[in-house]
Formats: sequence, C-alpha cells, structure tokens
Amino acid sequence: SQQGEEDPQALSIQEGENATMNCSYKTSINNLQWYRQNSGRGLVHLILIRSNEREKHSGRLRVTLDTSKKSSSLLITASRAADTASYFCATDGSSNTGKLIFGQGTTLQVKP
Amino acid sequence: GAGVSQSPSNKVTEKGKDVELRCDPISGHTALYWYRQSLGQGLEFLIYFQGNSAPDKSGLPSDRFSAERTGGSVSTLTIQRTQQEDSAVYLCASSPSVADNEQFFGPGTRLTVL
Repeated sequence: SQQGEEDPQALSIQEGENATMNCSYKTSINNLQWYRQNSGRGLVHLILIRSNEREKHSGRLRVTLDTSKKSSSLLITASRAADTASYFCATDGSSNTGKLIFGQGTTLQVKP
Repeated sequence: GAGVSQSPSNKVTEKGKDVELRCDPISGHTALYWYRQSLGQGLEFLIYFQGNSAPDKSGLPSDRFSAERTGGSVSTLTIQRTQQEDSAVYLCASSPSVADNEQFFGPGTRLTVL
C-alpha cells in the first residue's frame, strides 16, 4: 500500500510563480525524499531530508518536514516551464533496507 | 558516467507469455531495487537486493514474478504467464549502499500485455 499521499494531485501555474506540493505519510521514518519524473519514465532524485531536520534547501527547492504531523512540503520558487513534471515524495518507513514507499505524486504544469 | 540502464525500453507481449526485463545498475552500487508504476500512479516496490544477502521479495505481487541478480551486478525480473494487469512501467534503481538511500533510477521498461 502507498505510504504517502500528495496534495494537490495536479497543479497548474504560470512561469515565475512558486509551486508548493505537500506530502503526508503514515509510519515513522528515517528520512523522506522528493523525486521528479518526466514523461512517465525514470525518476531523478531532488532532495533528501532526514527525520531530525526541519528544513532543507537546494537551489530553487525548499523542503520542510514536520514529523509530528507526518508531513512534508516541497516548494519550487520562480518556476520555469522546464519544471513541468510529476513530483513524488518517498519515505523509507523507518526500515534499514532503503526500500522506498512512494506517494501518488503531484503533476505540475508550468505555463510559459 | 553511465547511469542505470534497462532493456528493453518497450515490450509488447501476448497474455500468457513469459517476459524478462533486464537492469544494469551503476557500477559499484551494492543495492538494487525493482519498482512497478501503473498508469498515473506512484511507484510500487517489488524486490530489493543488497550485496550477497537474501533479497527482500516482500513486494512481489504473485509467484509469477521472480528476480535474480547475478554476480552482484545485472538483475533480471521475470514475469511468467503474463496477465493484462501486469501492464506497467517497470523501473530499476540502484544505490551505493543502503545507508546512502538516494536511489538512481533507470529509464524503465514499458510492458504492455495484450
């Protein structure tokens, strides 16, 4: 079963605007990751945040983690048309195997 | 450098036939994962290999699915007697170690069962 649920399922914004995607999960975790997927094929790792971290930045990406609410958010600032993709959160479910449990994803469309 | 590669990129088969999907992980990566993604859905974990340890097969949906990893490198996912519900994109990922956790994904194999 899917651990994560993402919100919204789909998001459409204009270039230059910020995009915020949310992810909720059910079990305790060691870390939470965000991935990006273009055209329904391979995923690209964006950022990993550990359970003892609350916020992390990477370029135009900002990720927050609230373990008390079992939720995370991904903020993409100053969006570009090239950011159009599906975004997935994934948790390790506190396992030590590295096995990831993915959410259903948010489809982001950035209009030029 | 070379990333994770998968073959074939697309596979169309008839119901009841067996298929083999191949994954070449990044050289030196000890952990290898198979996932399945149905249309418009998130990824579903299938199986995980770590070094010489016994694989974690807990995600395999039925006994028609099996996988092996030879020599700690290349992996093959086999689906026997394919069914239409097996149609999906099968994604392979590798990781330098379990501790690193960041997974590097291949482009996937799109399987269509007619």
